[in-house]
Amino acid sequence: DIVMTQSPDSLAVSLGERTTINCKSSQTVLNNANNKNYLAWYQQKPGQPPRLLIYWASSRESGVPDRFSGSGSGTDFTLTISSLQADDVAVYYCQQYYTIPRTFGQGTRVEIK
Amino acid sequence: QVQLQESGPGLVKPSETLSLTCTVSGVSISSSSWSWIRQPPGKGLEWIGRLYYSKSTNYNPSLNSRVAISVDTSKNQFSLKLSSVTAADTAVYFCARDGYFDIWGRGTQVTVSS
Repeated sequence: DIVMTQSPDSLAVSLGERTTINCKSSQTVLNNANNKNYLAWYQQKPGQPPRLLIYWASSRESGVPDRFSGSGSGTDFTLTISSLQADDVAVYYCQQYYTIPRTFGQGTRVEIK
Repeated sequence: QVQLQESGPGLVKPSETLSLTCTVSGVSISSSSWSWIRQPPGKGLEWIGRLYYSKSTNYNPSLNSRVAISVDTSKNQFSLKLSSVTAADTAVYFCARDGYFDIWGRGTQVTVSS
């Protein structure tokens, strides 16, 4: 199985500040045949299903604010929130869909400082 | 607009079989792959398994011997059966479109308790 490890586990950020969440996979999720990274990011708020934010490591899902961006390749990835808003308080997960079984990071909780 | 809806008993006794159904609307179930994912209370997300284009299934090895996913194309539904459940199987169970999970059901709480 590909193990996904996120850092940090939680962070508190001031409104308007930049937020960075890291995700590392135990094996590459880059398919050299199509040059795509099979890596997604989700946001989950209490009592709701996860919401897809980013796929192919850097493609933003329709309707997701442009303050959310994804980067990285191979085994190291980053989700950045350029200017934290109150509505961004949530738990964020990375997930690989390169192989079966699909695996998720343990989650990063983002709070307002 | 593609929508998913989970349904099934909210309470299952230990050692019995958990059975859930996901109803897909807005698209043919045979046009995509579909997954089951669960989330224990206060914990992270665990992928259970998937139905691959109504043709085959894949399961998480951690649950492999207890899981079965099936399809009813006439009803545009796919189902999950998890046998020999224990308290550790208490979770919110989600169905979602597989790959990157762009479409999710709202989830259904299943509690294992006598």
